[in-house]
Amino acid sequence: ENVLTQSPGTLSLSPGERATLYCGASQGVSSSYLAWYQQKPGQPPRLLIFTASRRATGIPDRFSGSGSGTDFTLTISRLEPEDSAVYYCHQYGSSPRTFGQGTRLEIK
Amino acid sequence: EVLLVESGGGLVQPGRSLRLSCAASGFTFGDHAMHWVRQTPGKGLEWVASISWNSIKIEYADSARGRFTISRDNTNKSVSLHMTSLTSEDSAVYYCAREGYYGDYAVPTSFDTWGLGTLVTVSS
Repeated sequence: ENVLTQSPGTLSLSPGERATLYCGASQGVSSSYLAWYQQKPGQPPRLLIFTASRRATGIPDRFSGSGSGTDFTLTISRLEPEDSAVYYCHQYGSSPRTFGQGTRLEIK
Repeated sequence: EVLLVESGGGLVQPGRSLRLSCAASGFTFGDHAMHWVRQTPGKGLEWVASISWNSIKIEYADSARGRFTISRDNTNKSVSLHMTSLTSEDSAVYYCAREGYYGDYAVPTSFDTWGLGTLVTVSS
């Protein structure tokens, strides 16, 4: 099983700042099949990024993903209050599909 | 509008069975693989099972294999998860999720659409 480890656990930033979230995989992620999700309380996860760097439909260009192999990053530039959420990375290149434990982003 | 609506959750005793259903609308259901994903406060998000568009390829997480069965009905645009021998460890919100595809070569995007989830509580 490909274990994903996210850091930091919690991030507290102000509006307008940049957030950088990390996801490390215990094994290389095949075909860069790495996705990022945003989840707000009481809602299902929302797909932000797939194949490590492609934005899903309707996702603002403030959200960007990068990385390959075992190291991946989600960057949110120009933070807005509605970006407050938990962010999960997810690999779907090998079975079983796995998720990271999440990073909680707080907007001050 | 693309919609997934789960049903069938509830309170069930340990050792009993439960069947979850997911009704799809707003897209060509038969073109997409479908999945079940569960979430608990303690263990986070966990992929449970998946089924290909034609039901030929079916996969399970180790925690589900041998106890859970995923199936689909393309005519009625639904996917189901039959869960048996339930334990407290199976208590979670269960989401139905669609596999998305991108571009001319249908690159998979993983779960691009989720239902709102159905809560399963296993307790005596």
